[in-house]
Amino acid sequence: DVKVTQSSRYLVKRTGEKVFLECVQDMDHENMFWYRQDPGLGLRLIYFSYDVKMKEKGDIPEGYSVSREKKERFSLILESASTNQTSMYLCASSFPGGLSYEQYFGPGTRLTVT
Amino acid sequence: AQKVTQAQTEISVVEKEDVTLDCVYETRDTTYYLFWYKQPPSGELVFLIRRNSFDEQNEISGRYSWNFQKSTSSFNFTITASQVVDSAVYFCALSEPHSGGGADGLTFGKGTHLIIQP
Repeated sequence: DVKVTQSSRYLVKRTGEKVFLECVQDMDHENMFWYRQDPGLGLRLIYFSYDVKMKEKGDIPEGYSVSREKKERFSLILESASTNQTSMYLCASSFPGGLSYEQYFGPGTRLTVT
Repeated sequence: AQKVTQAQTEISVVEKEDVTLDCVYETRDTTYYLFWYKQPPSGELVFLIRRNSFDEQNEISGRYSWNFQKSTSSFNFTITASQVVDSAVYFCALSEPHSGGGADGLTFGKGTHLIIQP
């Protein structure tokens, strides 16, 4: 079974803090993704990566950055957390693009910024 | 730009009823992929089905069935003889593959919250 794990289920941070959300997958997938999920808005793509050290902006990258130093690990970074970044963050991974394989999701990290 | 619309925000039915979740999509590409995911109360998204734009055959998997109609840009999902365990939020999603490889982020609808009452 594909396993996507996220470092925390719940996280509480203060405004202005630097926040790291970690995601690890064990299926040797090339592609990894970060989404945020908000009530009434569904899931929105923040960033994705199709290879180590490669990254692409998604639909809502403002206020976020990412890091992919190893194939299995994809980190989402909030340089200076703000209250409007309070959300559920979901990581996903998939096989290489071109055929758009299904994405496998982690359990999510519910981040609260106070 | 691609877009997915799930007009039904919430549906509530009594157990054993059939229920259909609607999904309408917009895309300019001729090649694209459609997905359905289930998000139970535990929160983790579970993949249900993937369908490419060249395959309009309907699919049935147990009590689940999917109806893909390119003419109306719809990809509807029906649960037959619903059960309480079907209660969840269901998301429809669209992806347009990049030529030459690369990742394909999903565009999700806003989800339909399905409540199955015993």
